[in-house]
Amino acid sequence: QVQLQESGPGLVKPSETLSLTCTVSGGSISSYYWSWIRQPPGKGLEWIGYIYYSGSTNYNPSLKSRVTISVDTSKNQFSLKLSSVTAADTAVYYCARGDTPTTVTTWGQGTLVTVSS
Amino acid sequence: EIVLTQSPGTLSLSPGERATLSCRASQSVSSSYLAWYQQKPGQAPRLLIYGASSRATGIPDRFSGSGSGTDFTLTISRLEPEDFAVYYCQQYGSSPGITFGQGTRLEIK
Repeated sequence: QVQLQESGPGLVKPSETLSLTCTVSGGSISSYYWSWIRQPPGKGLEWIGYIYYSGSTNYNPSLKSRVTISVDTSKNQFSLKLSSVTAADTAVYYCARGDTPTTVTTWGQGTLVTVSS
Repeated sequence: EIVLTQSPGTLSLSPGERATLSCRASQSVSSSYLAWYQQKPGQAPRLLIYGASSRATGIPDRFSGSGSGTDFTLTISRLEPEDFAVYYCQQYGSSPGITFGQGTRLEIK
């Protein structure tokens, strides 16, 4: 069964760029929608955006100016870059898979990213 | 942007009781695009219901979803100890894509 694992720095300085990678194992990255979703400590879920394996993307308008999601099918990975971060970007970041763009069926375990100097 | 409002914020019930969780949308949502997730402390969310009423793989039949338009409901027929968690509804639209409700915390009474 497919498994997703987030990786990247747990601490990012304000104004810098947050970069995370999700490695997909147990299945191909092809033919699915790959999302990033975040959850500030003690709060609810916020969808950041998704990328289809072919490379087409859809971003949350509230974050669109700062977000880039990319995919590397040769490595079975997809990545998130969030620029100009502030303390408000501190959250657990989840990578996830959907069979369609409408629903998230499989989640990674999540990784906490703290924005602090 | 469609806003999802879940109620109640917290629901206190005992094992064996029936739980009814509500999700109300600010505009009509296609039933095909309404889902429910369960999240336990320290864990990622888990998909329970998609298409408003279809159970995801491996989800017990005590979980059921219903509704249409702007009003959707997640029902847990008889609560098991492992069902106490936070539940989120989620919808998909053309913009901004996926949005979640603020969650309902189901706690043991």
